[in-house]
Amino acid sequence: KAGVTQTPRYLIKTRGQQVTLSCSPISGHRSVSWYQQTPGQGLQFLFEYFSETQRNKGNFPGRFSGRQFSNSRSEMNVSTLELGDSALYLCASRARERSDTQYFGPGTRLTVL
Amino acid sequence: GESVGLHLPTLSVQEGDNSIINCAYSNSASDYFIWYKQESGKGPQFIIDIRSNMDKRQGQRVTVLLNKTVKHLSLQIAATQPGDSAVYFCAENIVGGGADGLTFGKGTHLIIQP
Repeated sequence: KAGVTQTPRYLIKTRGQQVTLSCSPISGHRSVSWYQQTPGQGLQFLFEYFSETQRNKGNFPGRFSGRQFSNSRSEMNVSTLELGDSALYLCASRARERSDTQYFGPGTRLTVL
Repeated sequence: GESVGLHLPTLSVQEGDNSIINCAYSNSASDYFIWYKQESGKGPQFIIDIRSNMDKRQGQRVTVLLNKTVKHLSLQIAATQPGDSAVYFCAENIVGGGADGLTFGKGTHLIIQP
């Protein structure tokens, strides 16, 4: 079974731009979570989607948003990029809403100049 | 153990030795704990998990110990190999309630010396 895939793997943007990242979960998984990883703050939870609905949201500004499609694929969007948004963005999927094991993708490395 | 600020704690062990990585968690309501391994350029990889109704769980070459009294978690890796070199994160969650997101520790960098 294929793992979690994320595209693109690397991205360079400038301040003020917006960006969309994509995540395809493991086949059959219906829950997708997004995390931001930085050297200073470590891994921080952004939000989780299940059956196209946002179930929970971490402590991030409204510039960070996401959505999930009927095939469970998910996108996250960051608008008005800031230098501090440079990070590795990780997507994780799990089989059910309350199933606990999350499997991570390789991440998208975003650099904001 | 857990890092403070920007610095990741580092644990250096000889190949073939056993290693123990420690983690202190913060939420006394957490009842599900996971260890992840992250190699350079990759996403976190699931290693082993444990629920709060257990205090020990064993996998292949790995053992997780949970001490709920002092809110401490440890990962033991037996007979370490070069491929074990990575950053190890503990994560906590609440089963069936609370935030669905995992709360991660800062990580420990395990270095295997030849």
